[in-house]
Amino acid sequence: DIQMTQSPSSLSASVGDRVTITCRASQTISTFLNWYQQKPGKAPKLLIYAASTLQSGVPSRFSGSGSGTDFTLTISSLQREDFATYHCQQSYITPWTFGQGTKVEIK
Amino acid sequence: QVHLQESGPGLLKPSQTLSLTCTVSGGSISSGNYYWTWIRQHPGKGLDWIGYINHSGDTYYNPSLKSRVTTSIDASKNQFSLKLSSVTAADTAVYYCARVFVLVSTDLFSQDHYYFDSWGQGAQVTVSS
Repeated sequence: DIQMTQSPSSLSASVGDRVTITCRASQTISTFLNWYQQKPGKAPKLLIYAASTLQSGVPSRFSGSGSGTDFTLTISSLQREDFATYHCQQSYITPWTFGQGTKVEIK
Repeated sequence: QVHLQESGPGLLKPSQTLSLTCTVSGGSISSGNYYWTWIRQHPGKGLDWIGYINHSGDTYYNPSLKSRVTTSIDASKNQFSLKLSSVTAADTAVYYCARVFVLVSTDLFSQDHYYFDSWGQGAQVTVSS
């Protein structure tokens, strides 16, 4: 199975901060990488697919980049509603696998 | 706007079979653009993908659970289902059903993209004697 490793596991940030989360795959996955946001007690929500394509309705402050094994999710100016856990997921090879999640907390 | 809703028993005893149904509304489960999938999340942990089924009944299961998992689809009811046999406490989790969007590649030499674009709210399943 392809292992997905996110860093950091958690971070503290303030409203307005630029936040970057990294996801690394244990082998190359081209751009078959998706990002999800999950708030406590809620289902995950798709943010970005194919590494850099913003899902319809997702604010433009979210962006994704990367290919191969290294990917990033960037929030350009953190808003209060962005405090959540973020998950990366590869769809290059089955079984599809997720990272362990990155929790973004209020500083 | 598609909506997915899980239903099924929330409390099981060890060795029983977990049975969950996902009811899809606002869209047809028979659409060829989508697969239908199950994902679970252990308490305080990340997400684990269980497997998918498509409108034709083709399935793929995560090898870690393959020997215990069965999925099915009922187009007449716009539902798909999950069965997980011989449950233990390790199967205690929130179970999500979700829709898989199949983004067909326009490049002859590239594969399709798959992503989970709609999710149910989740069903808590607890296994305890």
